[in-house]
Amino acid sequence: AQTVTQSQPEMSVQEAETVTLSCTYDTSENNYYLFWYKQPPSRQMILVIRQEAYKQQNATENRFSVNFQKAAKSFSLKISDSQLGDTAMYFCAFIRSGAGSYQLTFGKGTKLSVIP
Amino acid sequence: DVKVTQSSRYLVKRTGEKVFLECVQDMDHENMFWYRQDPGLGLRLIYFSYDVKMKEKGDIPEGYSVSREKKERFSLILESASTNQTSMYLCASSLYGGLDGYTFGSGTRLTVV
Repeated sequence: AQTVTQSQPEMSVQEAETVTLSCTYDTSENNYYLFWYKQPPSRQMILVIRQEAYKQQNATENRFSVNFQKAAKSFSLKISDSQLGDTAMYFCAFIRSGAGSYQLTFGKGTKLSVIP
Repeated sequence: DVKVTQSSRYLVKRTGEKVFLECVQDMDHENMFWYRQDPGLGLRLIYFSYDVKMKEKGDIPEGYSVSREKKERFSLILESASTNQTSMYLCASSLYGGLDGYTFGSGTRLTVV
């Protein structure tokens, strides 16, 4: 079974600064996908970024980027130039590749507050 | 954009009632999911469906059942609601299993009194 660990229950960052959210996972699989989701106070979960394990290049989406370290089983999210709208819960998630794979396994989340 | 719509944003039910949570998606996705979200526990999978009339148990199916009679609709049923089922319920859908990630609904906050 896979597990996903987010070791920082809460974090805060000043507006315009950079913050990094940590995620580690445990799996014996070699092929899988990793995700970061954002859940603002409005509750809608939004996909922020997706990483395929076989790709060495780190995924980026505008101000969001990841540091994917496959050997260390680490998948951190960096938010640059933090904005007030980045205030949200952030969830890291894992899914193995392959037939019959449907279930995302989520971490417990990190609550990020962006301070004006 | 794919839309996943949950019929109720807030719901209050009494202990012992039969409760239906409805979810509809409009993009012909094959797969649909019900998660429960609790503070400090993250998201836990209750049930999922990979095709019409097909269902699979997730990590915490006890006390729940599901129905998927049409591709676009996935219902979560609490046969006899209990106070420990007070929670946020999230519905999601995906096209390629979960490999493309899920699209989530806005959630239903259920309170059982």
